[in-house]
Amino acid sequence: NAGVTQTPKFRVLKTGQSMTLLCAQDMNHEYMYWYRQDPGMGLRLIHYSVGEGTTAKGEVPDGYNVSRLKKQNFLLGLESAAPSQTSVYFCASSYSKEVAKNIQYFGAGTRLSVL
Amino acid sequence: GEDVEQSLFLSVREGDSSVINCTYTDSSSTYLYWYKQEPGAGLQLLTYIFSNMDMKQDQRLTVLLNKKDKHLSLRIADTQTGDSAIYFCAETVGSSNTGKLIFGQGTTLQVKP
Repeated sequence: NAGVTQTPKFRVLKTGQSMTLLCAQDMNHEYMYWYRQDPGMGLRLIHYSVGEGTTAKGEVPDGYNVSRLKKQNFLLGLESAAPSQTSVYFCASSYSKEVAKNIQYFGAGTRLSVL
Repeated sequence: GEDVEQSLFLSVREGDSSVINCTYTDSSSTYLYWYKQEPGAGLQLLTYIFSNMDMKQDQRLTVLLNKKDKHLSLRIADTQTGDSAIYFCAETVGSSNTGKLIFGQGTTLQVKP
């Protein structure tokens, strides 16, 4: 049972390049989330999904797109990377049941630098 | 909108108690959470408290909730060097059925030997 796995772990991009971050969970969780973590700002929600085939915007969605074609995978895309997107990106997932729905399980993160 | 505030840094000596404080704005939050982030890793749930509780104890951890003041605290007894990490307070997003959380900025706990 691997939990939540993020790939890649590190990436350096040039301004204007595109890339996709992959998140995979093996816990059969309905809900999945993408966050970015910047110094002194905590975690900010980019996009989230409440089930296969559904996505919704979070707090800071601009410049990012997501897809959830399979229940276990949640992809985060940067179409044209900008230096402001340099950050650490975390994926998380949770069950949809009442008590557990906010207990989120996190991946180890992807450290992205945009030059 | 919802907001969660924490102080950014706390330094204690090994063996002392640590108290990390948090204030939140959404009075309709059902649960409040403490997550721990060790260096180079993702966040892990440490403990949580239901909004109708005042206190919850779990081994060395004590969570206190003051709903009137919208204040949450995490006390770690007998703090060890292994407790050095960033601690995040989080609240549920009102009546949302999406599982969304609002996180504070995180408090870096430094434990000196």
